[in-house]
Amino acid sequence: GEDVEQSLFLSVREGDSSVINCTYTDSSSTYLYWYKQEPGAGLQLLTYIFSNMDMKQDQRLTVLLNKKDKHLSLRIADTQTGDSAIYFCAESMAGGTSYGKLTFGQGTILTVHP
Amino acid sequence: NAGVMQNPRHLVRRRGQEARLRCSPMKGHSHVYWYRQLPEEGLKFMVYLQKENIIDESGMPKERFSAEFPKEGPSILRIQQVVRGDSAAYFCASSPPGVAGAHEQFFGPGTRLTVL
Repeated sequence: GEDVEQSLFLSVREGDSSVINCTYTDSSSTYLYWYKQEPGAGLQLLTYIFSNMDMKQDQRLTVLLNKKDKHLSLRIADTQTGDSAIYFCAESMAGGTSYGKLTFGQGTILTVHP
Repeated sequence: NAGVMQNPRHLVRRRGQEARLRCSPMKGHSHVYWYRQLPEEGLKFMVYLQKENIIDESGMPKERFSAEFPKEGPSILRIQQVVRGDSAAYFCASSPPGVAGAHEQFFGPGTRLTVL
């Protein structure tokens, strides 16, 4: 079955880079996502990557995928206090009726110190 | 273009009562998804619906829970005879039509259900 694991906490200093890690178990073709959740709010889609890609960059965000190790990371450059939030890794299947079903990790709480 | 709307934002029910949670998808979106987030946990998939059709309900508890997405109006998640363990945040997401659209799910702000 599908399982997504994340480290629970990350603390960084403002201006440093943050790297949030995630591992997944499903080896089938899949999409992998990063969502951000601020306190009391819903989830905001940050970016997603298909499993045949190695890297995707979008402004301060870089996603790296190691398909062999089923390891996904999100790097935030020049981390700001506004980046403090919970970051969720998620995956979905590429086909069948399961493509709409996201499986989430338990979330990484990112705390940015001034 | 308004985002995904959910109401109520907070709902308090006593054990045994019914809870009705509503979700209005983004304009042009025909797919709706419901997720549940228990305290200090990630989101768990419950159900995926298109208009008048349930696509995947593999995450729905077998009893007391039901969902619909009628031709007109919002999607409704209904929980009958609520118990304390139903206390959670319930999130709705929507996406555009088609398989490609399912990979861009936009989430609502959630309904926080508290069962006394």
